[in-house]
Amino acid sequence: GAVVSQHPSWVICKSGTSVKIECRSLDFQATTMFWYRQFPKQSLMLMATSNEGSKATYEQGVEKDKFLINHASLTLSTLTVTSAHPEDSSFYICSARDPSGQGNIQYFGAGTRLSVL
Amino acid sequence: QQPVQSPQAVILREGEDAVINCSSSKALYSVHWYRQKHGEAPVFLMILLKGGEQKGHEKISASFNEKKQQSSLYLTASQLSYSGTYFCGASYSGYALNFGKGTSLLVTP
Repeated sequence: GAVVSQHPSWVICKSGTSVKIECRSLDFQATTMFWYRQFPKQSLMLMATSNEGSKATYEQGVEKDKFLINHASLTLSTLTVTSAHPEDSSFYICSARDPSGQGNIQYFGAGTRLSVL
Repeated sequence: QQPVQSPQAVILREGEDAVINCSSSKALYSVHWYRQKHGEAPVFLMILLKGGEQKGHEKISASFNEKKQQSSLYLTASQLSYSGTYFCGASYSGYALNFGKGTSLLVTP
């Protein structure tokens, strides 16, 4: 399957700082990437859909000014958690849609565990 | 719309079989199955697109009913490596997936 790299894998930051998470598709071009949030032992909740060269589409209840998404190239999307607070602590996972083949399969990065102190 | 997965959790002995179900109140465009181990990324297992479709191999396979509202994942002769949380992802239109709450599977020796 296709490979998606996510960096960093773990970040600890102080309350009020901003954190940037990168998601890269390594062996395919992804016009669409997705950002999810996952709480312990819970499902993946879609936060936003990131489209290359255009604004991201946010799910209801997700603050776009809080979670800034940039998809400047066909292989890179970034999520910036601005002015992070302890309630933003979570596991953030990105996925990239492989446009080849049928079905728009999404391949996931390894996730970023964010801990805000 | 979040699809409904059942059961919530399963414990098996090595070699036993399991079935995980995923259902939707309305027809899906496609259903995607993933397995996630603790602290790791979900790994793609398979996708079903057509009503009545069955695919996979003898150990792990899946079906999609004719109305495209229910899918089942079949795990045969389970191995220790099958342990993890299984998610179904429902695509209603477009590219986004709505994931079920997951089924936690533990295979014991």
